[in-house]
Amino acid sequence: NAGVMQNPRHLVRRRGQEARLRCSPMKGHSHVYWYRQLPEEGLKFMVYLQKENIIDESGMPKERFSAEFPKEGPSILRIQQVVRGDSAAYFCASSPPGGSALYEQYFGPGTRLTVT
Amino acid sequence: GNSVTQMEGPVTLSEEAFLTINCTYTATGYPSLFWYVQYPGEGLQLLLKATKADDKGSNKGFEATYRKETTSFHLEKGSVQVSDSAVYFCALTPRPGRRALTFGSGTRLQVQP
Repeated sequence: NAGVMQNPRHLVRRRGQEARLRCSPMKGHSHVYWYRQLPEEGLKFMVYLQKENIIDESGMPKERFSAEFPKEGPSILRIQQVVRGDSAAYFCASSPPGGSALYEQYFGPGTRLTVT
Repeated sequence: GNSVTQMEGPVTLSEEAFLTINCTYTATGYPSLFWYVQYPGEGLQLLLKATKADDKGSNKGFEATYRKETTSFHLEKGSVQVSDSAVYFCALTPRPGRRALTFGSGTRLQVQP
């Protein structure tokens, strides 16, 4: 069973460009979470999605950031007009729809975004 | 709100030493508690979990007990190896309610041969 897939693993963008980060959850998982890790810090929750729905976006910056999880295809985290402060590792996690593993999240390898 | 406090690192130990990494939490209700490990350049891996008071999570020689009375979930290992060198994160998710994980700031462990 393949794990959570993220691509690209590394992404370099100039200030003002757009960054698109992709996440494919584990097979059978219908819940996706995005977290951001700044250098030498812990992970901070950004957004929680189910298929075609945003369930909780309380950690998402109000501007320039958006996320989607369409019926088909991966979840996308989009950052418009990137700034240097957006440089971080962005991790995606997925969890199954229910049962005893309801609150377990399985993480992908992350996308390391560098804004120059 | 929910929060997790971990001891600051780095923690430097010799191989075969005993490890304790302290973790305390603040949460409403009865959260589920987790330890995740992050090896250099990689994502987080779930190490162990506990979902109710007095539960003991264990994996790969690591253990942690959910102590509601002290709101703690300290990570322990009897004999560390060089391969255990990594960053360890304590985390919680509230039940019921939001499923987002709240993480501590992480504790870097360095094990020397």
